[in-house]
Amino acid sequence: QVKLQQSGAELVKPGASVKLSCKTSGYTFSTSYMSWFKQIPGQSIEWIGMIYAGDGGTGYNQKFKGKATLTVDTSSSTAYMDLSSLTTEDSAVYFCARLDTMGPKANWFAYWGQGTLVTVSS
Amino acid sequence: DIQMTQSPASLSASLGETVTIECLASEDIYSNLAWYQQKPGKSPQLLIYYANSLNDGVPSRFSGSGSGTQYSLKINSLQSEDVSIYFCQQNYDSPYTFGAGTKLELK
Repeated sequence: QVKLQQSGAELVKPGASVKLSCKTSGYTFSTSYMSWFKQIPGQSIEWIGMIYAGDGGTGYNQKFKGKATLTVDTSSSTAYMDLSSLTTEDSAVYFCARLDTMGPKANWFAYWGQGTLVTVSS
Repeated sequence: DIQMTQSPASLSASLGETVTIECLASEDIYSNLAWYQQKPGKSPQLLIYYANSLNDGVPSRFSGSGSGTQYSLKINSLQSEDVSIYFCQQNYDSPYTFGAGTKLELK
């Protein structure tokens, strides 16, 4: 079955960068789309961007351009998100989610990772 | 960006009751709307997509309706396991946007 396993919680200092991972299994990663989302605890969810694993093509929410960089490693079926120049406003839970591309749920996010908590603190 | 206005922000209901959550889009999203359930410390779970299609494994007491800019999620015969936060999300246009969420509690 489809699984998205995210990396563990991170405690990082302001100004630093962090790379989150989302290791997938149970489907053909190389022809899939993966999105990333940000959720500050107790608040709503924001879409950061999406990457197509086939060619690494990306699309970003303008709000996160320059903050987030999405990449993939098809050999390990893993998606990554780099967050740079971190501030306390980047403290949040970050989720990866696969975009369904076939069937009735095409264009929806039916499979999500468990989330990674990033805490930015000195 | 398309704004999604969700109401109410919180809701208290009794077991067995029927509850309705509303989502208003700032422009016509042509039924490109999903509803998610999120429990504390967990990832969002897709309940409804394309406004009224029930995801696999979701109990039939959940239903979605609406068109244009107005959408709703109805939960019939509320169960204790339905206590959660519910979000609407549009994917008609990028960036995909979510409502602020509705916290559903038991009375």
